[in-house]
Amino acid sequence: GAVVSQHPSRVICKSGTSVKIECRSLDFQATTMFWYRQFPKQSLMLMATSNEGSKATYEQGVEKDKFLINHASLTLSTLTVTSAHPEDSSFYICSAREGGALTGELFFGEGSRLTVL
Amino acid sequence: GENVEQHPSTLSVQEGDSAVIKCTYSDSASNYFPWYKQELGKRPQLIIDIRSNVGEKKDQRIAVTLNKTAKHFSLHITETQPEDSAVYFCAASHKAAGNKLTFGGGTRVLVKP
Repeated sequence: GAVVSQHPSRVICKSGTSVKIECRSLDFQATTMFWYRQFPKQSLMLMATSNEGSKATYEQGVEKDKFLINHASLTLSTLTVTSAHPEDSSFYICSAREGGALTGELFFGEGSRLTVL
Repeated sequence: GENVEQHPSTLSVQEGDSAVIKCTYSDSASNYFPWYKQELGKRPQLIIDIRSNVGEKKDQRIAVTLNKTAKHFSLHITETQPEDSAVYFCAASHKAAGNKLTFGGGTRVLVKP
């Protein structure tokens, strides 16, 4: 199957700093990627849909100025958590469909565990 | 928007027994229903999916059933093995919503040897 890679897998930062997480589709092009957030022992909550070459679409309740998404190429989307605070600590996972398909299997990255001190 | 409810939240079964997880969805337009397995600290992996034009699908020990009228779908795992222990998520999506997946709350399955 298609491969989606995330980096870094773990990051610890001080409160007030910004953190960037990368999501890459390694062997396919993805015009659309999705960013999810997962709290311990909870489900995946969709944060935003990242669209190549255009603005991301954010889910209700997600602050777009807090979680900056850039999808500059067909294989890379980035999520920047700005001015991070302890409550932003979470597991962030990106996903994409192969070939920009509108339906079908969604492939997930390994996830990035953010800890804000 | 879509709302997916999943039950039970935890499930403990004896090795060799069957496990059943049930999900309901709210949006009748949803037409794609995947099931993902997530092991601790790892990414979710698709194990089976079903589309609304099919009522049942089976892949070895795993099967999924869909009742469009009642808006619920279920995952059945037969002859469970310890390696089936994980968290399972159901999800639903449809084209009008940009094919975004809405996930259920998850079921933590423990298969006891």
